[in-house]
Order: sequence, then structure tokens, then C-alpha cells
Amino acid sequence: DQQVKQNSPSLSVQEGRISILNCDYTNSMFDYFLWYKKYPAEGPTFLISISSIKDKNEDGRFTVFLNKSAKHLSLHIVPSQPGDSAVYFCAASADSNYQLIWGAGTKLIIKP
Amino acid sequence: DTEVTQTPKHLVMGMTNKKSLKCEQHMGHRAMYWYKQKAKKPPELMFVYSYEKLSINESVPSRFSPECPNSSLLNLHLHALQPEDSALYLCASSQVEGGGYTFGSGTRLTVV
Repeated sequence: DQQVKQNSPSLSVQEGRISILNCDYTNSMFDYFLWYKKYPAEGPTFLISISSIKDKNEDGRFTVFLNKSAKHLSLHIVPSQPGDSAVYFCAASADSNYQLIWGAGTKLIIKP
Repeated sequence: DTEVTQTPKHLVMGMTNKKSLKCEQHMGHRAMYWYKQKAKKPPELMFVYSYEKLSINESVPSRFSPECPNSSLLNLHLHALQPEDSALYLCASSQVEGGGYTFGSGTRLTVV
């Protein structure tokens, strides 16, 4: 049973436009959500997180939106840049259990 | 120092060899993790250490043996591995209270 789902294996976006990466979860106990970016042959790099008490968190070009009723979060990147091309993983954790449950990842390709 | 350092970066070993992967962090994080990542898959949790004690073992075969000598170091001892154990092995650390995990860049392991 996949508790964290990223249904789009890949996404292609024109440079300068907005990239929107989606993530759905099923476990209502999750209260902390994170996005990671991963280049080939490297470890994941933490991008941005959001607590369940918020519905939006912004950091520069990256904004994460959380819709708790829909159990859905999204990562917006604007404007998209060539260096943003990578695999993006959504992850979630529940209070008192700091294990991360990972989505399968979405490969983002930024076209020049 | 805001990094997790893993050595070696690449390792090729035979099925009868004994080797060790090393991980080091000096951020004062008290939780450390080993993950295994196969190509095009999200990282899979193997072990969690909390305050230098093994708290989670995700049914990992005994040919993988973790060790946490102190709060800054985490080792993964390897013995009698199989070719299917070839993967990227990632170390991570976090504050016990949660937040963004910091990952190392990984050790690319090939078992021949």
C-alpha cells in the first residue's frame, strides 16, 4: 500500500514557466511533509518542507501548498530554470515517528 | 559544518569480501539513518539509530551490519553480499525533533 503517491513519473516544462509537482497521501497521521531534489548518482537534497498546521510555505522560487482535506500537496517552482532538471521526491512523516515515507519521484525536465 | 560525509564514494566488492561504509556528521544530529536506493526508485530505509542506539531495523538481511560508535559516526559493515545488493547506499541525519533530513552523497556499491 503506497502511502505517498506521485502519480506523474515525469514532467516536461519550458524554461521560465511554472513547474507544478504533485503528491498525494493516504495516512491522515502524517503531519510533516518534505520535498527533495535528486541528481543522478547523488544523495537527495532537501528543498522545502511544510507542517500540517500550515497550508503554504515559500522559499525563493519554491512554494509548497498543502490541502489537508484532499490529502494533497504540490511543489511550485517559478520561474523554472535548467538546473531544476532532476528527480523530485515527496516525503512524509508522522509525529513521534521520524521515519520518512517516500513517493516514487517525478522526473522534471526543463526545456530551453 | 552542515554536511553528511560518506566514504568511499564508489566501492566494488566480490561476494566473499568484507567491507565497510562510513558516514560522519558534525551537526549535533542525534538520529542517523542508512538508506538503500536502486536506480529510478525512492530511497528505502534500512536502519535508524537514535542516540547511538539502533531503534529500527527494516528487516534487513544479516549480511548488512550497522554500527554507531559515537554520535557523529555511522558505519555499515558488509559481508557476503549478493549482486542484487548493488545500489546507492545513502546515509542521512536529522534532529530528533524532525525537520529536513540531511543526506550524504552516497556510496555507489557494485557487488561482482
